[in-house]
Amino acid sequence: AAGVIQSPRHLIKEKRETATLKCYPIPRHDTVYWYQQGPGQDPQFLISFYEKMQSDKGSIPDRFSAQQFSDYHSELNMSSLELGDSALYFCASSSRTAGGNTIYFGEGSWLTVV
Amino acid sequence: AQSVTQPDIHITVSEGASLELRCNYSYGATPYLFWYVQSPGQGLQLLLKYFSGDTLVQGIKGFEAEFKRSQSSFNLRKPSVHWSDAAEYFCAVAVGATNKLIFGTGTLLAVQP
Repeated sequence: AAGVIQSPRHLIKEKRETATLKCYPIPRHDTVYWYQQGPGQDPQFLISFYEKMQSDKGSIPDRFSAQQFSDYHSELNMSSLELGDSALYFCASSSRTAGGNTIYFGEGSWLTVV
Repeated sequence: AQSVTQPDIHITVSEGASLELRCNYSYGATPYLFWYVQSPGQGLQLLLKYFSGDTLVQGIKGFEAEFKRSQSSFNLRKPSVHWSDAAEYFCAVAVGATNKLIFGTGTLLAVQP
């Protein structure tokens, strides 16, 4: 079965640079979530989209932005990167319209800021 | 406020022994509860979920969990642990209209030979 696809899997950026993470949800899933997991931490909710509209917002820094496109893929843009942004970033998807409450996660994108 | 508590940060069990990982939640409405497992450097794999109905739910890899409303608990169990079960286990509750997940701090499971 198709899963949530994230790219790139790994990237290294310098401080003050910009990074973009991409997420391709499971086909026919209408909701995308982004989470950030710092070293030794539990995943923290950043932001979610339902049918291409932002549906909820968590502890996402103002330097970060995200959107969901017409094909339902989503991108997380991170600017003015700081060392503390180094983390594993997860994308997840679910299908609200299908009555599903199960959220499936991608493998994550490792961001290292040096 | 909604929250999930996993009181055990680190647990070590012998291979073949039984396992119980504790999870307590705080949520005003009927909770949707999940257990995920994460191997080092890997993603989050869904083990099992509880939405309603039978309070004992079966998951993958021989895991089960029991929802106890009176105790606000959703403990994960396995009768016989395998070395490959060594990983970090996260309990989570889905909250709000968007069903975003609130995670516990995780329990790191080590398996001794």
